[in-house]
Amino acid sequence: QVQLQESGPGLVKPSQTLSLICTVSGDSVNSGGKYWSWIRQFPGKGLEWIGYIAYSGSTYYNPSLQSRLTMSLVTSNNQFSLKLTSVTAADTAIYYCARDDMTTRSFDSWGQGTLVTVSS
Amino acid sequence: DILLTQSPATLSLSPGERATLSCRASQSIGAYFAWYQLRPGQPPRLLIYDASKRADGVPARFSGSGSGTDFTLTISSLEPEDFALYYCHQRYNWPGAFGGGTKVEIK
Repeated sequence: QVQLQESGPGLVKPSQTLSLICTVSGDSVNSGGKYWSWIRQFPGKGLEWIGYIAYSGSTYYNPSLQSRLTMSLVTSNNQFSLKLTSVTAADTAIYYCARDDMTTRSFDSWGQGTLVTVSS
Repeated sequence: DILLTQSPATLSLSPGERATLSCRASQSIGAYFAWYQLRPGQPPRLLIYDASKRADGVPARFSGSGSGTDFTLTISSLEPEDFALYYCHQRYNWPGAFGGGTKVEIK
C-alpha cells in the first residue's frame, strides 16, 4: 500500500521560496509509468492542482503557476519536491502530494497534507 | 476553461439517510471525472473515477453516475465517518478543475 508524507516549513515569508518534499513508501517514484502531483487547498476550502512530475523527471505545471514552479525527483530518497518562488499571502494553503494515475487521470493516493502559511 | 459547480454547498443529514451530491460542468466532458472525500486529519480519498467506478476499498454505499455535464455522487446510507467534504474533479482538459465542494454535515 502506497503512502505519501509531505514535509517542509510551515511558515514562509512573503517574496521567499516555498519548498516542500514528499516522501513515498510502497512505490517507487522513478518506476515506469508513475506520475506524482501536488495539490493545494485554500483556507476557503477550494482545491487547485499545482502540477505533476513523471517517473522520467518530465513535468507539467498548472499554467497559472508555471513561472514560479519547479518540481524535481529525489530518487535516492524516493522523494519528489516542490519549489514555489515569490510567494504571497494568496499561496497560504494546505499542500498535498498525491500519486497521479494517468490511466484514469485521478489521484489515487494522497498524503495527509501540510499547512503552509505565508506571513511576515 | 471548464468550470465545475457543486450543489448544494452544505447538506445537513442524519446518519442512515441518503445523500445526493451534484456536480455540473460548464460544457460536456467525457470520462476522467472523479469524486474525492476530505476529512480532517485524514489523507484525501479517491472515491469514484471515470464517473461511476468505485476506487479500491471504497464501500458499496458510495456510487457515482452521470455523463455529459451532470454528475451525481450518492451515499445510500450515511455512516458517521461519511460526514466530510466532497469534491468533484474533471481532467477532460488540462489542467483540469475541481468543484467548489459540498460539506455533508450532521443534522
